[in-house]
Amino acid sequence: EVQLLESGGGLVQPGGSLRLSCAASGFTFGSYAMSWVRQAPGKGLEWVSYIRGGGARETYADSVKGRFTLSRDNSRNTLYLQMNSLRAEDTAVYYCAKSSSSWGNDAFDLWGQGTMVTVSS
Amino acid sequence: EIVLTQSPGTLSLSPGERATLSCRASQSVGSDYLAWYQQKPGQAPRLLISGASSGATGIPDRFSGSGSGTDFTLTISRLEPEDFAVYYCQQYDAFPWTFGPGTKVEIK
Repeated sequence: EVQLLESGGGLVQPGGSLRLSCAASGFTFGSYAMSWVRQAPGKGLEWVSYIRGGGARETYADSVKGRFTLSRDNSRNTLYLQMNSLRAEDTAVYYCAKSSSSWGNDAFDLWGQGTMVTVSS
Repeated sequence: EIVLTQSPGTLSLSPGERATLSCRASQSVGSDYLAWYQQKPGQAPRLLISGASSGATGIPDRFSGSGSGTDFTLTISRLEPEDFAVYYCQQYDAFPWTFGPGTKVEIK
């Protein structure tokens, strides 16, 4: 079955760190670019970061640049998001999403079920 | 940054009616890199349309997309009960990729 499964969410204090994982199955993971998209409670969708299939290029939203690091391990079919210096405004459901090609401009044709991150003291 | 505006914010319709949702961009979206997603409560978004008008795999043909440049439209020809949800447009032309605020289609 083609799917994405996120994990690693939870409750963290402001200034803390968390690492999210997204395990892919049912497709050739390394052949596709991947992104993280988040959704604050009751709000809309916000693209967070993007990485090419080969892992050579990452791009970040200004809101997380310098605090979040995106990486991937194609041998493990897994995408990671290291989140440091977390703020209350980072509270959201985090979705990993697959692009329909290895690099370039593509929509998200597969989404995970999401993992909740809550930043609160 | 390309800002997307969606209208209306909420659309109240009955099953069987036609729904027309609008997405307007603050600048031209190159190569029609515009997608539409459907999201139901507690679920992840689902891709409906990419490239402004190409239906995604498995999407019923009652969903159609049109438009170019700065003005795009998602049309649901006859609403089914399962179509009541929130719909987002997204541009993937230029980073940061951005989403519109969404249109909620609710049962009248």
